[in-house]
Amino acid sequence: RKEVEQDPGPFNVPEGATVAFNCTYSNSASQSFFWYRQDCRKEPKLLMSVYSSGNEDGRFTAQLNRASQYISLLIRDSKLSDSATYLCVVRDWRDDKIIFGKGTRLHILP
Amino acid sequence: DTAVSQTPKYLVTQMGNDKSIKCEQNLGHDTMYWYKQDSKKFLKIMFSYNNKELIINETVPNRFSPKSPDKAHLNLHINSLELGDSAVYFCASSQDLAGPSYEQYFGPGTRLTVT
Repeated sequence: RKEVEQDPGPFNVPEGATVAFNCTYSNSASQSFFWYRQDCRKEPKLLMSVYSSGNEDGRFTAQLNRASQYISLLIRDSKLSDSATYLCVVRDWRDDKIIFGKGTRLHILP
Repeated sequence: DTAVSQTPKYLVTQMGNDKSIKCEQNLGHDTMYWYKQDSKKFLKIMFSYNNKELIINETVPNRFSPKSPDKAHLNLHINSLELGDSAVYFCASSQDLAGPSYEQYFGPGTRLTVT
């Protein structure tokens, strides 16, 4: 099993729809989880951290399922500007391991 | 006001050359990183540097060497460049090396092409 896995997509979703994607991780000792967004030919930018209790930031909701070892990102009322690649990041402080997933490409269609 | 800056933005060079990429952060962060993003868009950490402690990804060839003149700068020097080194190199910084305040801020990237 790969350390961090994401469905590469692309997810082609009409504007206004709700879209969700997951990221699975193999190391049960992982402690920190994040979602980053990367636009074409740009740097990754932090979208949100993922907390154990789940967290929401506007139209974005992130959840962590430790038992099944995955994190999820839900985007409601999707906008054209949400089109990007979404990278999941998993961190194990003890090993100093920082692992990025390969990303899920999202295209919002007008 | 750029938080993490890198120079140059584009670098085209021939095989066998030695080159450096510079990175500066004005966020007052304690930790800096170098990442490589290859043609398949896979982002992989190369180094992290915190309070003069260097943590190396063991898969990185020793032709790559980070150099930190001070806390705000982490430069990447590459010797004997190879075709496979062509990629986008991102510098990043974070407040902490561990813990919840570890969110990373990335520079704009340096697109290296080795011919």
